[in-house]
Amino acid sequence: ETVMTQSPATLSVSPGERATLSCRASQSVNSNLAWYQQKPGQAPRLLIYEASTRATGVPARFSGSGSGTEFTLTISSLQSEDFAVYFCQQYNNWPLTFGGGTKVEIK
Amino acid sequence: QVQLVESGGGVVQPGGFLRLSCAASGFTFSSYGIHWVRQAPGKGLEWVAFTDYGERNKYYTDSVQGRFTISRDNSKNMLYLQMNSLRAEDTAVYYCAKDTVTMFTFDYWGQGTLVTVSS
Repeated sequence: ETVMTQSPATLSVSPGERATLSCRASQSVNSNLAWYQQKPGQAPRLLIYEASTRATGVPARFSGSGSGTEFTLTISSLQSEDFAVYFCQQYNNWPLTFGGGTKVEIK
Repeated sequence: QVQLVESGGGVVQPGGFLRLSCAASGFTFSSYGIHWVRQAPGKGLEWVAFTDYGERNKYYTDSVQGRFTISRDNSKNMLYLQMNSLRAEDTAVYYCAKDTVTMFTFDYWGQGTLVTVSS
């Protein structure tokens, strides 16, 4: 199984600042990496797929990068609605696996 | 618009069984793969099972292999998850999630249905 490790577990950021979230795979997943945002009481929302392609309707302040085993999600200028938990997910290997999540909280 | 509505959750004793359903609308259901993804209370996401559009290919996470069965009825736009031999660690919110065109990511999710396994 491909283990996905996200860091940090919690990120404290002030509105308007930049947030950088990391995701590491235990083996190469090529560019088959997605990012999701989840707010309390809601289902997750797809943000990024193929490591760097924004899903429909996702603001340009969200960007993804990386390939192989190291990936990054960057939120260029945090808005109030961006405070949430973010999960990475690999879809290169079965079973599909998620990282443990990074909670982005208001500083 | 795309809608996925899960039902069938509840409280069940260890060793018991439950059948979850997911009603789909707003897209051509028979053209897409569908997944079940679960989330234990206060925890992260765990992918559970997948069926392709025609049920030719089905995949399961190891911890449910042999206990859970995913199925679909394309004539009714319905997805199912038959869960047998339930364990406490199966307690979670279960989401159905639509596969994307690029395959094996999830672009639409239901609101989830809670399954609690407890004596």
